[in-house]
Amino acid sequence: LAKTTQPPSMEAYEGQEVNVSCSHTNIATSEYIYWYRQVPHQGPQFIIQGYKDYVVNEVASLFISADRKLSTLSLPWVSLRDAAVYYCIVTDTSSGSWQLIFGSGTQLTVMP
Amino acid sequence: EAAVTQSPRNKVAVTGGKVTLSCNQTNNHNNMYWYRQDTGHGLRLIHYSYGAGSTEKGDIPDGYKASRPSQENFSLILELATPSQTSVYFCASGDWGWGVGDTQYFGPGTRLLVL
Repeated sequence: LAKTTQPPSMEAYEGQEVNVSCSHTNIATSEYIYWYRQVPHQGPQFIIQGYKDYVVNEVASLFISADRKLSTLSLPWVSLRDAAVYYCIVTDTSSGSWQLIFGSGTQLTVMP
Repeated sequence: EAAVTQSPRNKVAVTGGKVTLSCNQTNNHNNMYWYRQDTGHGLRLIHYSYGAGSTEKGDIPDGYKASRPSQENFSLILELATPSQTSVYFCASGDWGWGVGDTQYFGPGTRLLVL
């Protein structure tokens, strides 16, 4: 399974766009990229997933570099509710074995 | 309405006692998982299941058993609880699909304190 590297922490003001980067230099062709977030005293929440190029949903967008070694989660117009730990995870989807390995993530602090 | 629920939400147990953590999902997912999360760490997988009657070992299964009696229910059992098992436990459900993997949906967690 590919290892991911994220910044340990980030800060932003309410209303700003936030971009959280994730490096996965050894990602395999069968691996997908997932992003989850977790607020205190709650379970992780799925945000978005992708394989290549650009993915967007109602919560966030995900840009994946052409070589797939770098992905960036973009959160438009963050609010105080977006303060959380953001996890970037890569996982193999080819064989029916799945496994989400949660690293230490990126702690996003949102300031009013 | 919450699709993955856990009970109890908080539990205090004594060393050597038996603890059962329960999880119920209404997503009709085949896969279910138990993780633990300790301060300063990410989630670590204990056991998982592909469907009723199946249980598989995750990364840290020692000291834990699991039971999947039905599609909806998945239990984590600590036969002889130890203080090192004090943690927050999360249950999740998911359905694996070719090319998209397994998006997992988590419950609210159970805080376990073993004295």
